[in-house]
Amino acid sequence: QKEVEQNSGPLSVPEGAIASLNCTYSDRGSQSFFWYRQYSGKSPELIMSIYSNGDKEDGRFTAQLNKASQYVSLLIRDSQPSDSATYLCAVNPSNDYKLSFGAGTTVTVRA
Amino acid sequence: GAVVSQHPSRVICKSGTSVKIECRSLDFQATTMFWYRQFPKQSLMLMATSNEGSKATYEQGVEKDKFLINHASLTLSTLTVTSAHPEDSSFYICSARGTVNEKLFFGSGTQLSVL
Repeated sequence: QKEVEQNSGPLSVPEGAIASLNCTYSDRGSQSFFWYRQYSGKSPELIMSIYSNGDKEDGRFTAQLNKASQYVSLLIRDSQPSDSATYLCAVNPSNDYKLSFGAGTTVTVRA
Repeated sequence: GAVVSQHPSRVICKSGTSVKIECRSLDFQATTMFWYRQFPKQSLMLMATSNEGSKATYEQGVEKDKFLINHASLTLSTLTVTSAHPEDSSFYICSARGTVNEKLFFGSGTQLSVL
């Protein structure tokens, strides 16, 4: 079983719509969770970090964490063409910053 | 914000040669640096963890004699791919953990192509 699982997509949404990305993880003891955005040929850039159950909002992005279900999600509101990228879910299983990454979900925002 | 400089950004080499990749934290001291490898359309896979002044810790399946890591100072870690072969062609990315806020910062990545 993979440590971090994501739907690979591609997820295609029209401009202005909400993009919803999901991620599940296997290590129940994980305490910190991250969403990264990666453009083709570039390194990941941090969008959101979340540590507690519930929602965390930052601009057009909302991360949701449910530790009981071992599930973390990312919502992108008012999607823009510039949001087209691969979104990586990362989990810190041992609290030592040795992140485990999901395979990523490719998002395409149609103008 | 904190910056991690990684170079070269792209390297093409012949099979059998060695390639060195540098990762520098420019405005903070990095107690720990991580080296990842990413094949096309796949996720980042952690290769090794390096701490300043000590030997690197390699993940299972990563050959320590092939991927030499040197973390000589709090601002510099290097990854040397020795006797590179075409199957080593990949995107290599470093990340650094700061001493103050302990966030992770990623380098810009190095695309290695071995002919």
